[in-house]
Amino acid sequence: AQTVTQSQPEMSVQEAETVTLSCTYDTSESDYYLFWYKQPPSRQMILVIRQEAYKQQNATENRFSVNFQKAAKSFSLKISDSQLGDAAMYFCAHYSGGGADGLTFGKGTHLIIQP
Amino acid sequence: DTAVSQTPKYLVTQMGNDKSIKCEQNLGHDTMYWYKQDSKKFLKIMFSYNNKELIINETVPNRFSPKSPDKAHLNLHINSLELGDSAVYFCASSPPESYMRRGYTFGSGTRLTVV
Repeated sequence: AQTVTQSQPEMSVQEAETVTLSCTYDTSESDYYLFWYKQPPSRQMILVIRQEAYKQQNATENRFSVNFQKAAKSFSLKISDSQLGDAAMYFCAHYSGGGADGLTFGKGTHLIIQP
Repeated sequence: DTAVSQTPKYLVTQMGNDKSIKCEQNLGHDTMYWYKQDSKKFLKIMFSYNNKELIINETVPNRFSPKSPDKAHLNLHINSLELGDSAVYFCASSPPESYMRRGYTFGSGTRLTVV
């Protein structure tokens, strides 16, 4: 079974600063997808950014970017110019096919934005 | 035009009762899921279902059962509710494998409280 590990239960950053959230995963597959989801207090799960394992180029979406290290099975999320609205739980997730695992999540990192 | 909608958003009920949570998606996806988010925010898959196959996470008690009248709906029935069933339940759907880079789309969650 695949596993996803987020080693930072909580992170705090000053508004306008940059923060990096860590994620490692374990899989025996060579083809898979990685995602970061944001869950604000509203509870909604919002897809922030995705990365296909076969792509070497790191994904970027505006202020959000990832550092994908396939050999190290690492997938960190960098948030630049942090804003108050970025405060949320962030979940790293892995997908390598259907079945019992499906989309597997890490335990999440609670991001606090200090004004 | 909500993509994945689930009702109710909040559900408070007594131990021993039977309850259902409804989920509908208008994305044309073939596969739907139920996830449970516990008090520590950990998201765990409960069921994966498409019109051909139901996959049950082995840790899910048989008091939980998914019912799918058609491919746009996947309801969750829970019998003999227990205090430990209190959690947030998320419905989700996913595109075909070739479009999986779009990730799963989640409903807004149902907070179930058993008293």
